[in-house]
Amino acid sequence: SQTIHQWPATLVQPVGSPLSLECTVEGTSNPNLYWYRQAAGRGLQLLFYSVGIGQISSEVPQNLSASRPQDRQFILSSKKLLLSDSGFYLCAWSPGGDTIYFGEGSWLTVV
Amino acid sequence: AQSVTQPDIHITVSEGASLELRCNYSYGATPYLFWYVQSPGQGLQLLLKYFSGDTLVQGIKGFEAEFKRSQSSFNLRKPSVHWSDAAEYFCAVGRISNFGNEKLTFGTGTRLTIIP
Repeated sequence: SQTIHQWPATLVQPVGSPLSLECTVEGTSNPNLYWYRQAAGRGLQLLFYSVGIGQISSEVPQNLSASRPQDRQFILSSKKLLLSDSGFYLCAWSPGGDTIYFGEGSWLTVV
Repeated sequence: AQSVTQPDIHITVSEGASLELRCNYSYGATPYLFWYVQSPGQGLQLLLKYFSGDTLVQGIKGFEAEFKRSQSSFNLRKPSVHWSDAAEYFCAVGRISNFGNEKLTFGTGTRLTIIP
């Protein structure tokens, strides 16, 4: 069966510091991969998606970037964090043309 | 553009009572519809989905939802709630883009509280 792993689960970072959240999917190949953000009391906002290695699409302009160095690995990064980057970040995957499945999420607090 | 409205921000239900969470969507064609549940501090778990066919879909944990095209609704129901059902519930509408990725739009969620 397919599983998705996301880490770290919790992160407290100072303003201006870099960020790297990692996500891997097991048990499938060539998945669609996604990064969502959930701000406190709000719904989910799609940040990035990828339909293949090296193919990244951004949904909203922001202080973050994403990369897909391997088929089942998706990384969310920032060079300099802002206070507004705080939130709950969710990695997700799909087999393509079907349901999206989510990881357990990463809590980021920028102080 | 697709959109989803969950008109109830917070619902409180007694344990053992029935539950209905409302979801209305806006989409020009037949949508893909989903309900996800999120326990505090955790990721989203898929409860059920509708792609086509029977408009009454069964999901996990005893949940069901009914797609009503005429009302643009996809309400979630459970005949008898358990304390463990306390969570945040998200309705979502989706489509497949020309690039093959899923374009999912989420509602803002309904927080469910269960009282003894």
